[in-house]
Amino acid sequence: KQEVTQIPAALSVPEGENLVLNCSFTDSAIYNLQWFRQDPGKGLTSLLLIQSSQREQTSGRLNASLDKSSGRSTLYIAASQPGDSATYLCAVSLYSGGGADGLTFGKGTHLIIQP
Amino acid sequence: EAGVTQSPTHLIKTRGQQVTLRCSPISGHTSVYWYQQALGLGLQFLLWYDEGEERNRGNFPPRFSGRQFPNYSSELNVNALELEDSALYLCASSPVRGKLFFGSGTQLSVL
Repeated sequence: KQEVTQIPAALSVPEGENLVLNCSFTDSAIYNLQWFRQDPGKGLTSLLLIQSSQREQTSGRLNASLDKSSGRSTLYIAASQPGDSATYLCAVSLYSGGGADGLTFGKGTHLIIQP
Repeated sequence: EAGVTQSPTHLIKTRGQQVTLRCSPISGHTSVYWYQQALGLGLQFLLWYDEGEERNRGNFPPRFSGRQFPNYSSELNVNALELEDSALYLCASSPVRGKLFFGSGTQLSVL
């Protein structure tokens, strides 16, 4: 059974710092990996999706890398801003699209950016 | 283009009651997924519907059920509510072999 672990569970840093969130998964036979953002009591916003054949994806100040063989992904946030405060979730899919059980999620990293 | 819509946004019920949550997928998406996000437990897969059929369900008791209609919208029903059913219920839709898009969720509180 696929398990996804995110470290750290919580992180608080001053505005302007660059930071790295970590995600690991137990079954390397993934189809893709996604990073999501969730604001309190809200749904999920997809940030980046990395296909299993890719090594990284970038969007603005965000960069996600994938090392499928070692079962690891990192989300790099450059020049953090207070508006980046949210919970960041990592999720993997074993199949094209969602497949049998959709996505398997980690429990998230709760990020606070101090002004 | 409208995103995934869920209703209601908030709901308060008492133990033993029944509840129905609704989800409208993005136009053209045939798959609908339901997830439960209870405090401290992370997102847990509940159900997957595709082309009107239940394709898979997560490790939840039978009192969690649902259906998908011909227009691909979906309902999640929970019978005999228990306190631990209090959670944010998220619906996601996807096209065939496509990326999942999530709604804003229904916050259910069971008293």
